[in-house]
Amino acid sequence: QVQLVQSGAEVKKPGASVKVSCKASGYTFTSYYMHWVRQAPGQGLEWMGIINPSGGSTSYAQKFQGRVTMTRDTSTSTVYMELSSLRSEDTAVYYCARTTRSLDAFDIWGQGTMVTVSS
Amino acid sequence: SYVLTQPPSVSVAPGQTARITCGGNNIGSKSVHWYQQKPGQAPVLVVYDDSDRPSGIPERFSGSNSGNTATLTISRVEAGDEADYYCQVWDSSSDHHVFGTGTKVTVL
Repeated sequence: QVQLVQSGAEVKKPGASVKVSCKASGYTFTSYYMHWVRQAPGQGLEWMGIINPSGGSTSYAQKFQGRVTMTRDTSTSTVYMELSSLRSEDTAVYYCARTTRSLDAFDIWGQGTMVTVSS
Repeated sequence: SYVLTQPPSVSVAPGQTARITCGGNNIGSKSVHWYQQKPGQAPVLVVYDDSDRPSGIPERFSGSNSGNTATLTISRVEAGDEADYYCQVWDSSSDHHVFGTGTKVTVL
């Protein structure tokens, strides 16, 4: 079945970086865009950016420009999201989610990865 | 940037109808998608392109979109519908995906 499986929870200190993975299975990896969405505790959903697994091109939300990097490995059908210069406000659950080339709704989501930033 | 506004909460009795609004400037010109999120779980797409349902989503979930307001309607509400609901659009002017502020639906 179609699924996105993310890496496990992380605890980081302020100023550090975190890299979260999202492994896709059950569909053609390069046929769908992949996004990252985060949710701080008790808060709403926030879109971070998109990567096209086919060519690797990316587009990031203005808020995260310069701090986020999204990459992919087509040999393992995995996308990665690295966030640098972490601060306490980055404590959140990070989700990967896919969209099709013709529909900009997120139809499949990963299970989420909790990232805690604490000294 | 484009802003989507939802009521923080909606309460409804079992068997009744819940309506959740999503306000945005000329939102009727955009495709609106809706997600259900239960505590500790990832969001689930329940309506896409204003009013279409993914396979497996009950017909009780429906949507509409016109002018400055999109609406998610849940008919014959059940206890299992208690969750947070988010609207979402793609904003072409910023090339960003935008989520609404979220609405907590409580089944009385």
